[in-house]
Amino acid sequence: AQSVTQLDSQVPVFEEAPVELRCNYSSSVSVYLFWYVQYPNQGLQLLLKYLSGSTLVESINGFEAEFNKSQTSFHLRKPSVHISDTAEYFCAVSEAGANNLFFGTGTRLTVIP
Amino acid sequence: DAGVTQSPTHLIKTRGQHVTLRCSPISGHKSVSWYQQVLGQGPQFIFQYYEKEERGRGNFPDRFSARQFPNYSSELNVNALLLGDSALYLCASSLFWGGPNTEAFFGQGTRLTVV
Repeated sequence: AQSVTQLDSQVPVFEEAPVELRCNYSSSVSVYLFWYVQYPNQGLQLLLKYLSGSTLVESINGFEAEFNKSQTSFHLRKPSVHISDTAEYFCAVSEAGANNLFFGTGTRLTVIP
Repeated sequence: DAGVTQSPTHLIKTRGQHVTLRCSPISGHKSVSWYQQVLGQGPQFIFQYYEKEERGRGNFPDRFSARQFPNYSSELNVNALLLGDSALYLCASSLFWGGPNTEAFFGQGTRLTVV
């Protein structure tokens, strides 16, 4: 079975500062990894995903995440955050070959002006 | 193009009642999944359907059931509602079941409150 741990439930950061949201997973099989973002009163939006290949994946709005198999991590980073990045971020894992997702408990990112 | 649509958006039910939640996937998508998101938690997988067949089931009691129709829309049914069933219920659709490039697109959810 898969599981996901997001160690930080809340991360406050000043505007234009860098941020890292941590995600660790456990699985006995090959996995796909995802980061989803949830704005207030909305559903989930896919931010980026790792399926295979390059371990560094990027989103269109400046976020990136690196798959580290030895540390079973998939941390999310952004070098300079904006007010609009304030949201809940969920790390998720699925078994390669299936697409039901296992989510972490989420990290609330609050960008302070 | 319309995204994943869920109805109703909000719902209040009494303990012991039954509820039906509905989901219309993105046009052309054949797989629908249901998730329960309790306040302050990440979504938890309930069911997945592909081509009208159940392809996966999470760790939920038999009070929870679902089905997928020929037009690929789906219903989630919950019987004998408990206070603990209060949550945001999310529906996600994807083109296929399994394998890479089967990105899940989520609807905005149905907020169920059990009183």
